[in-house]
Amino acid sequence: SAVISQKPSRDICQRGTSLTIQCQVDSQVTMMFWYRQQPGQSLTLIATANQGSEATYESGFVIDKFPISRPNLTFSTLTVSNMSPEDSSIYLCSVSSSSWEGYSVSYNEQFFGPGTRLTVL
Amino acid sequence: DQQVKQNSPSLSVQEGRISILNCDYTNSMFDYFLWYKKYPAEGPTFLISISSIKDKNEDGRFTVFLNKSAKHLSLHIVPSQPGDSAVYFCAASAWRGAQKLVFGQGTRLTINP
Repeated sequence: SAVISQKPSRDICQRGTSLTIQCQVDSQVTMMFWYRQQPGQSLTLIATANQGSEATYESGFVIDKFPISRPNLTFSTLTVSNMSPEDSSIYLCSVSSSSWEGYSVSYNEQFFGPGTRLTVL
Repeated sequence: DQQVKQNSPSLSVQEGRISILNCDYTNSMFDYFLWYKKYPAEGPTFLISISSIKDKNEDGRFTVFLNKSAKHLSLHIVPSQPGDSAVYFCAASAWRGAQKLVFGQGTRLTINP
């Protein structure tokens, strides 16, 4: 499986500021995703980071609040903009790769980074 | 609506015994299911997966069973070890890994010595 790192591992931020989280993979991967885990909750997908194009956002998440970049196949960033205490969460990136199975493409399991614990005061 | 449900928030099992974690889903489009283990301050670690064309998949001490008619899957760990103490998440996808994973709420498993 790929080795995934995230920076920062944790941060405490003031309301109204923005934080950019980096995700670095040690090998090229097909898909990169960003998830959020709010306190006591499950993991929820924010968006799929697409290389060279705009990210694909899930319902309830918008680009102005969570801009995402993916300049290449090993790196992505997620920015949490104009933060409020409700943004306090663990933010995780995940990756998966594809392989050919017969005549179709199959995507393999998603592997997760260690997460970034964000606290907004 | 919660498409993937883990109804037991916690489970306590004695070391050496079998741990059984359960998961139910509602979306008939799900065709790929995964189990992840999560320790505090770490990201989820992939454990085992199963495609909807199978009803069982084994990997060492871990076995996942899928009952499509009941929309239910379970993870069996045998024998349970202290290092298995963690939060276990069930996840489902409508297209093997490429589409989003929908996670259950998690079950905290504690293995008692």
